[in-house]
Amino acid sequence: QQQVRQSPQSLTVWEGGTTVLTCSYEDSTFNYFPWYQQFPGEGPALLISILSVSDKKEDGRFTTFFNKREKKLSLHIIDSQPGDSATYFCAASRTGNTGKLIFGLGTTLQVQP
Amino acid sequence: DAGVTQTPRHEVAEKGQTIILKCEPVSGHNDLFWYRQTKIQGLELLSYFRSKSLMEDGGAFKDRFKAEMLNSSFSTLKIQPTEPKDSAVYLCASSSPRQGAGSDYTFGSGTRLLVI
Repeated sequence: QQQVRQSPQSLTVWEGGTTVLTCSYEDSTFNYFPWYQQFPGEGPALLISILSVSDKKEDGRFTTFFNKREKKLSLHIIDSQPGDSATYFCAASRTGNTGKLIFGLGTTLQVQP
Repeated sequence: DAGVTQTPRHEVAEKGQTIILKCEPVSGHNDLFWYRQTKIQGLELLSYFRSKSLMEDGGAFKDRFKAEMLNSSFSTLKIQPTEPKDSAVYLCASSSPRQGAGSDYTFGSGTRLLVI
């Protein structure tokens, strides 16, 4: 079973709009949640990350929100641009000795001009 | 900084062949990961090394997939024998664990494998 679930599987938004991607996880010991962005023909690249001690982290047009009680997080992209069209992966891990990330299946975003 | 280098970028193999994919991690990174990426299954972990020691070997992939880390700056993934269902993108990533923080992966651009 998938330990990290993402929705929707794919999404189309208009340029200038706000994109919202969501993610949920099973294991309550997870405390680190990065989001990765992948363009076609490239490997995923770290976009933004959050530790469970925070409920929000912002980086330019990208904001990630974390809800520990519900075991959910989300990625918001304001003023979405065609250049944001990519696949977005949510991931989870525990800080400490293990370096392994558990990835969701991804959300493919298309931003229409 | 040099990122993760994967070669080749593309590989076409006939069913039953042996292929070897290569990866050079970021200098100084202690952790190295091999993933298989498909649309349906997403990112599937094949192998995980820490300081050249094998930490995890993806259970379902053990029979025909073998990753090795010959030194801290080079890893290979051998698929033997290849099957058409192995057609996918193979990604290598490296990271360094940080005290009190999560690991951030640097991924290579991947090798796109087609088995015919």
